[in-house]
Amino acid sequence: AQSVTQPDIHITVSEGASLELRCNYSYGATPYLFWYVQSPGQGLQLLLKYFSGDTLVQGIKGFEAEFKRSQSSFNLRKPSVHWSDAAEYFCASGIIIQGAQKLVFGQGTRLTINP
Amino acid sequence: DAGITQSPRHKVTETGTPVTLRCHQTENHRYMYWYRQDPGHGLRLIHYSYGVKDTDKGEVSDGYSVSRSKTEDFLLTLESATSSQTSVYFCAISVDTEAFFGQGTRLTVV
Repeated sequence: AQSVTQPDIHITVSEGASLELRCNYSYGATPYLFWYVQSPGQGLQLLLKYFSGDTLVQGIKGFEAEFKRSQSSFNLRKPSVHWSDAAEYFCASGIIIQGAQKLVFGQGTRLTINP
Repeated sequence: DAGITQSPRHKVTETGTPVTLRCHQTENHRYMYWYRQDPGHGLRLIHYSYGVKDTDKGEVSDGYSVSRSKTEDFLLTLESATSSQTSVYFCAISVDTEAFFGQGTRLTVV
């Protein structure tokens, strides 16, 4: 069965510092992998996705993620965070059933930015 | 927001009462989904639809039913609300490999 683990519930970084959010997945085949961001009281916005090919994927807002099959990981990175990056971040894996995309989410990592 | 509207946005209801949440989309998407979001659990799939009158269960479907009588509307019904169903409910659609989410409905069962 699919599962996604985000080991860090809450991370605090200083503005301008680099960021790495961890994500580990469990699935027999290579899943589709996603990172979403959720601002308070809002829905989820897709940051980036990985399906195949280049293991380093670029997303919106300066984020990138690297797929590492050997570690079953898909960590999200940003070289320099901005105060507006404070939000909750969700990693997800997806499989296609009957054409529908079924997503399994991690527990989320809440990011706080110190000025 | 891919033309997704959820209603109501907030609701308080009593234990044992039926509740229906509505998801409306304006862009004729085939695939629609209901997720619930709870602290420590991320989002979990309740039910999904792959066409009019075609629905299937997700991982947390007990106590929920859905209906899709027309393309644009996907209804989620809590047959007899319980306090464990207090949650934020998100509707989503998918286009190719990307999912788009509504703004959510905060449901409190007292």
